[in-house]
Amino acid sequence: AQSVAQPEDQVNVAEGNPLTVKCTYSVSGNPYLFWYVQYPNRGLQFLLKYITGDNLVKGSYGFEAEFNKSQTSFHLKKPSALVSDSALYFCAVRGVRNTGFQKLVFGTGTRLLVSP
Amino acid sequence: DAGVIQSPRHEVTEMGQEVTLRCKPISGHDYLFWYRQTMMRGLELLIYFNNNVPIDDSGMPEDRFSAKMPNASFSTLKIQPSEPRDSAVYFCASRGGLAGESPWENITGELFFGEGSRLTVL
Repeated sequence: AQSVAQPEDQVNVAEGNPLTVKCTYSVSGNPYLFWYVQYPNRGLQFLLKYITGDNLVKGSYGFEAEFNKSQTSFHLKKPSALVSDSALYFCAVRGVRNTGFQKLVFGTGTRLLVSP
Repeated sequence: DAGVIQSPRHEVTEMGQEVTLRCKPISGHDYLFWYRQTMMRGLELLIYFNNNVPIDDSGMPEDRFSAKMPNASFSTLKIQPSEPRDSAVYFCASRGGLAGESPWENITGELFFGEGSRLTVL
């Protein structure tokens, strides 16, 4: 079954420093991977996706993610963190054909705290 | 566009009562999804619709849960009777389809989420 793992419950970083939020995946077939962000008391917002092509994907708010097939990883990165980036981040993978490509399987989420 | 609109934002009810959550997807979106978020289970897909037709309801936890989409601009998720373990945040999300695609084919578009309905069952 498709799955993603987010090994860190929380990531702490100082404003201005680079940030990385980790995600590893397990899929059969080609991985279709996504990152979403959730601010307090809000719904999830799409950040970026990897479907095919360049391993470095650029998304909203200055975020990018690097797809690494050999390490089965899709880490979210940003060169310089902002306090306003503090939120809950979810990695997700598309489901398989027999259970529905429409399904997004989400990770458990990583809370990012950016200190001033 | 106002985005995906959910109501109520907060609902507190007593065990055994019927709960109805409502969702208005983004106009023109062909797909509508209901998710549930809890601390224990994270985000779970309950059911999704394509062109108002339920495609996959395998995530619906039990018969107490039902969902309908009578038209392209409205969907409901009903819990009857409600139980304390149903307490969660319920999200509705929608997505646009592509011309000619099958609901079973590969979809890569982003989901647009509503702000959620926080349900507390006492």
